[in-house]
Amino acid sequence: RKEVEQDPGPFNVPEGATVAFNCTYSNSASQSFFWYRQDCRKEPKLLMSVYSSGNEDGRFTAQLNRASQYISLLIRDSKLSDSATYLCVVKPSGGYQKVTFGIGTKLQVIP
Amino acid sequence: DGGITQSPKYLFRKEGQNVTLSCEQNLNHDAMYWYRQDPGQGLRLIYYSQIVNDFQKGDIAEGYSVSREKKESFPLTVTSAQKNPTAFYLCASRQGSMNQPQHFGDGTRLSIL
Repeated sequence: RKEVEQDPGPFNVPEGATVAFNCTYSNSASQSFFWYRQDCRKEPKLLMSVYSSGNEDGRFTAQLNRASQYISLLIRDSKLSDSATYLCVVKPSGGYQKVTFGIGTKLQVIP
Repeated sequence: DGGITQSPKYLFRKEGQNVTLSCEQNLNHDAMYWYRQDPGQGLRLIYYSQIVNDFQKGDIAEGYSVSREKKESFPLTVTSAQKNPTAFYLCASRQGSMNQPQHFGDGTRLSIL
């Protein structure tokens, strides 16, 4: 099993739709979780951290399910500008241990 | 403005040549990282450094070398031993505390001539 798994998509959704992505991780000791956004041929940019109680930033909601070992990202009222690849990132606890990036889920918002 | 600067943006390597990718940050971050991204694959860690004069191999270090002589600089050399160097190379840095996210430079695209 891969350390971090994501459905690569693409997810094609109409403008205004709600879309959700999941990301599963295998290391139960993982402590830190993030979602990044990556536009085509650009660097990843931090979208949001994922907190245990779940967190929201405008149209974006992130959730963590430790029992089932997955994190999710919900995007409400999708905009054309949301089209990008969304990477989940998982970090084990402690120190400078390396993080693991998922392959990314591609989202295409259609007019 | 604070940030991470990678140069050059595009780089071409001839057969048997070593090339060096630059990464500079003025964020005063302790940790720095080099990743490689290939189409259809996630980011793979090449090397990372927690502190000046110290660095560790990542998952795919073969054919690469790094140095960390200054806190703000973490150059990556792609040696001739790296037989498939064509990729998008990303440098990242992170504040020292444990659970902070990484921040990326805008990358270098390396191709073989």
